[in-house]
Amino acid sequence: QVQLQQSGPGLVKPSQTLSLTCAISGDSVSSNSAAWHWIRQSPSRGLEWLGRTYYMSKWYNDYAVSVKSRITINPDTSKNQFSLQLNSVTPEDTAVYYCAREWNRQLQYWGQGTLVTVSS
Amino acid sequence: DIVMTQSPDSLAVSLGERATINCKSSQGVFHSSSNKNHLTWYQQKPGQPPKLLIYWASTRESGVPDRFSGSGSGTDFTLTISSLQAEDVAVYYCQQYYTTPYTFGQGTKLEIK
Repeated sequence: QVQLQQSGPGLVKPSQTLSLTCAISGDSVSSNSAAWHWIRQSPSRGLEWLGRTYYMSKWYNDYAVSVKSRITINPDTSKNQFSLQLNSVTPEDTAVYYCAREWNRQLQYWGQGTLVTVSS
Repeated sequence: DIVMTQSPDSLAVSLGERATINCKSSQGVFHSSSNKNHLTWYQQKPGQPPKLLIYWASTRESGVPDRFSGSGSGTDFTLTISSLQAEDVAVYYCQQYYTTPYTFGQGTKLEIK
């Protein structure tokens, strides 16, 4: 059974960097058959896909155009986890952030969600 | 980006009755290489992440009750709950994985009448 455990601060100041981590159990971040996603949810934007990282002989990333200049998703093979960094946040980045595992094209397993509020 | 539009936004159905939720994509999500529609349905209850119900438009995820079914192809899809149970009260989302960015519908809130 795959489990994803999210961690990170729930409050970030405007213009600073949002950083979250998703720890994986029951699978490997380096799996050739999985991809690792970040998705956020807010009342104004609904469910919004942010990006993913995956390993297929080398590491790849895909990012949403809306955040492409500000986002980094990194795998950490030593800790079997992956992270989200979103720079220069504004109150519009306030949302519940989820990590998720894609396998066979399905987002089958999700983290518990982290409410991140951007406020001074 | 592929825009996913669900209808209705909210729905109230009596216990034991059928509930039908529609999802329309702005372009087709049938992939000829897989011969499948790249569409998923999720159920989300308050305070929880979305739960995978249906994938490939009509394949039920393991453990999902058989009262849930998905149908459709191309750009038009339907989630049907054949006999509504109290535990089915939730928000339901469709999502395409035909191409990145993966995109979601706005959600349909299902309540008991």
